[in-house]
Amino acid sequence: SQQGEEDPQALSIQEGENATMNCSYKTSINNLQWYRQNSGRGLVHLILIRSNEREKHSGRLRVTLDTSKKSSSLLITASRAADTASYFCATDARYNTDKLIFGTGTRLQVFP
Amino acid sequence: DTGVSQDPRHKITKRGQNVTFRCDPISEHNRLYWYRQTLGQGPEFLTYFQNEAQLEKSRLLSDRFSAERPKGSFSTLEIQRTEQGDSAMYLCASSTRTSGSLRQYFGPGTRLTVT
Repeated sequence: SQQGEEDPQALSIQEGENATMNCSYKTSINNLQWYRQNSGRGLVHLILIRSNEREKHSGRLRVTLDTSKKSSSLLITASRAADTASYFCATDARYNTDKLIFGTGTRLQVFP
Repeated sequence: DTGVSQDPRHKITKRGQNVTFRCDPISEHNRLYWYRQTLGQGPEFLTYFQNEAQLEKSRLLSDRFSAERPKGSFSTLEIQRTEQGDSAMYLCASSTRTSGSLRQYFGPGTRLTVT
């Protein structure tokens, strides 16, 4: 079963705009990760944020984590057409860190 | 390229047939995971190995599914008596535990179509 849900399910923006995706999860975690998946392909790891961190940056990506609300957000700044993909958050389970539980994903379309 | 590889990339089979998929992880990774992904959904955990030991199996993994990692290197996932509901993308990932974090490296997946 999925750990939680992502919002929105789909997002369409123009190149240069920012894209924000939200993820909610259900159980306590050690860390939360974001992955990108291009159509019909495998997943690529983007960024990991630990449960004791509140914000993390990597290039054009900014991730926040609010463990009190069991939610995270991924911000992609200055989007490009190449950012078109599905984005998934994934969590471990606090007392079982050996598997990832994925959300339902946000499908991002960036128009040139 | 030393990433995770999967073979075949696509498989079309008739209902009732058996299929086997192979995954070659990154060579120094001792953990190997199988996930299943249906259209429009996120990947769902199936099973994972630490070296050759299968440590956890999901309830999704019915008796028709079996996975092995005989020498702690590559892994195979076999589905017996396939059903149309088995149609999905089967993803393999590998990792090595580092400081408690579990970044996983995914292969390109095997897309199974059961007709």
